[in-house]
Amino acid sequence: TQLLEQSPQFLSIQEGENLTVYCNSSSVFSSLQWYRQEPGEGPVLLVTVVTGGEVKKLKRLTFQFGDARKDSSLHITAAQPGDTGLYLCAGVKLASGTYKYIFGTGTRLKVLA
Amino acid sequence: DTAVSQTPKYLVTQMGNDKSIKCEQNLGHDTMYWYKQDSKKFLKIMFSYNNKELIINETVPNRFSPKSPDKAHLNLHINSLELGDSAVYFCASSQYFPPAQTDYGYTFGSGTRLTVV
Repeated sequence: TQLLEQSPQFLSIQEGENLTVYCNSSSVFSSLQWYRQEPGEGPVLLVTVVTGGEVKKLKRLTFQFGDARKDSSLHITAAQPGDTGLYLCAGVKLASGTYKYIFGTGTRLKVLA
Repeated sequence: DTAVSQTPKYLVTQMGNDKSIKCEQNLGHDTMYWYKQDSKKFLKIMFSYNNKELIINETVPNRFSPKSPDKAHLNLHINSLELGDSAVYFCASSQYFPPAQTDYGYTFGSGTRLTVV
């Protein structure tokens, strides 16, 4: 059972377009992070959100944590070819007295020049 | 000045062989991890060590054995390799556990692509 489902799975857009990636769960997470992974490299942390409803901006990227802390979104404005990569959400939840850190299913983004 | 370095980058080997992947971090982090990324890009934790002590040991075949000689190193040894072990293995480290405080997450190595033929 996948606890963090991302949509869409694949996205191919033209340079300059806007896009939103979603990360959804039926579980509550104490915090959620977004990573970007480029081919041949490991994921790199973009942002951490910890409060329900929190919005964080990183240049053209806007991240939001859902009010109930069960979902998150990543919005990219005016996408550029350099935004191409695999976007992964990851959440922390307390389960059976231990912390579980879970990665989402991933969204592969390709931005065409 | 690589923060988390793992070697080798590529590993092609035959079924039944034993192989090791090495990982070193120079960030001064206390916690290190091994993750497996499958062909669908899903990342699944395998092991975690905190100050040389095993703290996470997920359901992984006992052919996989981590070893942490000191808190800057975490190696992964795999015995009797099988076709299904083919994947990209990532080493990571974090300053805190769980690595989910604001501005602090995982620092990943660049991965080892293991191909078992």
